[in-house]
Amino acid sequence: DVKVTQSSRYLVKRTGEKVFLECVQDMDHENMFWYRQDPGLGLRLIYFSYDVKMKEKGDIPEGYSVSREKKERFSLILESASTNQTSMYLCASSLLQGAGEQYFGPGTRLTVT
Amino acid sequence: RKEVEQDPGPFNVPEGATVAFNCTYSNSASQSFFWYRQDCRKEPKLLMSVYSSGNEDGRFTAQLNRASQYISLLIRDSKLSDSATYLCVVFTGRRALTFGSGTRLQVQP
Repeated sequence: DVKVTQSSRYLVKRTGEKVFLECVQDMDHENMFWYRQDPGLGLRLIYFSYDVKMKEKGDIPEGYSVSREKKERFSLILESASTNQTSMYLCASSLLQGAGEQYFGPGTRLTVT
Repeated sequence: RKEVEQDPGPFNVPEGATVAFNCTYSNSASQSFFWYRQDCRKEPKLLMSVYSSGNEDGRFTAQLNRASQYISLLIRDSKLSDSATYLCVVFTGRRALTFGSGTRLQVQP
């Protein structure tokens, strides 16, 4: 059974804090993605990676960075959290780049106060 | 204009009803199309791919109209368990998938 796990289901951080969101997949997938999901806006792509140490900006990368040191792990970093980064963050992985089925983790609901 | 547009709903239908959702996409070069399902407070999961010839999976039928740039999902004999948000997803051939903001379906007893 395919599995994508995320380090926390709920997280509360203060403005200005550095925040790390971790994602791990056990399917040996090359491609991993970070999205945020907000009501009325749907899923928006923040960053994705198609190989270890490779990363590409998505549609809304500002205020975020990522790290992929190992194939199975993709981290999202909020360098200095702001209240407008309060959101649901979803990690996904896929075997094929782009067109393949994406498997999602359960999500992290981040609240920045 | 959004790349993928969906009516947010909610669509409130009785059990046993047939319901259809449409989704329009703006990029005529889009290559692949999907419907994902997202239950309340859960992650999205692939429901079905959408092929040019249309495809059916049990009570679910997906259709693609390239000329008008829309895809549709038809659910027959709705069940309470079909209540969810249905996400229209498009791959344009570059970068990653583009998700619509979803259509919420509520099936009532």
